Amino acid sequence: GAGVSQSPSNKVTEKGKDVELRCDPISGHTALYWYRQSLGQGLEFLIYFQGNSAPDKSGLPSDRFSAERTGGSVSTLTIQRTQQEDSAVYLCASSLPGGHTEAFFGQGTRLTVV
Amino acid sequence: GENVEQHPSTLSVQEGDSAVIKCTYSDSASNYFPWYKQELGKRPQLIIDIRSNVGEKKDQRIAVTLNKTAKHFSLHITETQPEDSAVYFCAARHQAGTALIFGKGTTLSVSS
Repeated sequence: GAGVSQSPSNKVTEKGKDVELRCDPISGHTALYWYRQSLGQGLEFLIYFQGNSAPDKSGLPSDRFSAERTGGSVSTLTIQRTQQEDSAVYLCASSLPGGHTEAFFGQGTRLTVV
Repeated sequence: GENVEQHPSTLSVQEGDSAVIKCTYSDSASNYFPWYKQELGKRPQLIIDIRSNVGEKKDQRIAVTLNKTAKHFSLHITETQPEDSAVYFCAARHQAGTALIFGKGTTLSVSS
């Protein structure tokens, strides 16, 4: 595709349920990032992938959060046993390899836990 | 890991004035410093970036300066316009391709 695509755009789930958020990066972008943005807040780093491996997962807030990436492309962020404080916009970004390249963001998934 | 501090959190200026947003970073190995603009309800988009081998970069009304010794970098917007109103984020990353770490953002309001 032309840009980073995330699905679903919106997700409402009940407290305690598991959710999966999907990110489809720009073709050829080996670097992929997940961020969380709570209402009116900044971009909280969650995890970084280079290819299929995650050299930095230091931002995952708890063991309820996990992410994987397959084929060096699509990534899935899974939140188990969702809590109300998990409600936020989850943003994915991708970039070409190397440290000086622009990261392109998807439109985000707005997660609401009720 | 890297930590990026950003100030101020909010900034209000009159149209035509200049605006300056400042960031500091903790990891001396960081050498790439982008700035992103996020309009309400939209995704963040890159507006300018700077690498550690230069001290300043300009693009029309926008400029970024970098002081590696002090680990400071700043965004300067001149002749501000109402459409500059948005949240601005600074970020830092080092060449090993580690995570891009963002500051907490500055909400800029330009009134006409």
